[in-house]
Amino acid sequence: KQEVTQIPAALSVPEGENLVLNCSFTDSAIYNLQWFRQDPGKGLTSLLLIQSSQREQTSGRLNASLDKSSGRSTLYIAASQPGDSATYLCAADTGRRALTFGSGTRLQVQP
Amino acid sequence: DTGVSQDPRHKITKRGQNVTFRCDPISEHNRLYWYRQTLGQGPEFLTYFQNEAQLEKSRLLSDRFSAERPKGSFSTLEIQRTEQGDSAMYLCASSGDGANYGYTFGSGTRLTVV
Repeated sequence: KQEVTQIPAALSVPEGENLVLNCSFTDSAIYNLQWFRQDPGKGLTSLLLIQSSQREQTSGRLNASLDKSSGRSTLYIAASQPGDSATYLCAADTGRRALTFGSGTRLQVQP
Repeated sequence: DTGVSQDPRHKITKRGQNVTFRCDPISEHNRLYWYRQTLGQGPEFLTYFQNEAQLEKSRLLSDRFSAERPKGSFSTLEIQRTEQGDSAMYLCASSGDGANYGYTFGSGTRLTVV
């Protein structure tokens, strides 16, 4: 059974800092690894999808990496802004059409 | 297309009542998913449709839960005889075909059972 863990559970940083969010998964037989953003009381917004054959994906100030052999993915956010404050969720797709999510990292960027 | 729509946004119901939620996916997406999310946790998979066929159900989906997707368009999720433990955010998502097609989530329906 796939299990996904995210560390840290919460993070507070001053504006402008670069930061790294960590995600680990127990079953390396994944189709892809996805990162989502969730604002309080809202649905999920897709940020990045890394296919199992890829090592990283970039979108603007976001960069996500994937190391299947070690069961790890990281989300790097450059030059953080107060608008980046949200919960960030990673999810592993093992091809059974059911994403397995971590519990998320709650990020607060202080102005 | 305005994305994935869910209705209602909020529902408060008394324990023992039945409730039904609706999800309208992105029109060209033939895959539809339901997830449940409790406070401080990530979403948990409930069920998945490929067009009108319900292909996978989680063990979380007890016999009080039923989902349908008639004609492969919108979907409904019904909970019968609601319990306080059913209080959660119910999220719907849709995607296209292919193993690496990203998901689009709706804004969710927040259910409170009192």
